[in-house]
Amino acid sequence: GAVVSQHPSWVICKSGTSVKIECRSLDFQATTMFWYRQFPKQSLMLMATSNEGSKATYEQGVEKDKFLINHASLTLSTLTVTSAHPEDSSFYICSARDLGATGELFFGEGSRLTVL
Amino acid sequence: DQQVKQNSPSLSVQEGRISILNCDYTNSMFDYFLWYKKYPAEGPTFLISISSIKDKNEDGRFTVFLNKSAKHLSLHIVPSQPGDSAVYFCAASARGSGGGADGLTFGKGTHLIIQP
Repeated sequence: GAVVSQHPSWVICKSGTSVKIECRSLDFQATTMFWYRQFPKQSLMLMATSNEGSKATYEQGVEKDKFLINHASLTLSTLTVTSAHPEDSSFYICSARDLGATGELFFGEGSRLTVL
Repeated sequence: DQQVKQNSPSLSVQEGRISILNCDYTNSMFDYFLWYKKYPAEGPTFLISISSIKDKNEDGRFTVFLNKSAKHLSLHIVPSQPGDSAVYFCAASARGSGGGADGLTFGKGTHLIIQP
């Protein structure tokens, strides 16, 4: 099946620094990618929709200046957590839907962010 | 308001027996349902899906049953194996209306534990 890859898989940073997470579709093109955050024992929470060549669409309650999303190509979206704080520590996951496919999303491996 | 509910946070099943994971939904517009499997610190992987025009879909050891009148679906795993121990997310899609921006609404997940 289609493959979506995230990098890095885990990152530890100091409070106040910015962290970039990459999401790549390896064998298909995706005009739209999605970013999620997962809290312990909770479901995936959709943060934003990343649109190739245009601005991301953020879900209610998600700070767009805090979580910068860039979708520069049909195979790459990046999420930058700016001025990270300990409460930003979480598991971040991206997904993408193959062009023309319906229903099924392919997820990345996830990135564990720990802010000290 | 939770539109997709997985009321059992965890389920313990003996190896070789049948595992039954349940999922209820409230939005009658949902017409496509998916199950995802997630290991710790990894992204979800697609397992099996079912369209609302069917009441059963089978793939190897995995079978999903859909009861539209009861707005209920279940995932059966038989026989259960140790590698099946994971968190299972139920997701629903209402194409053209409802759902999240990614088209999916997730339940909170059920942690399946297969005991030897």
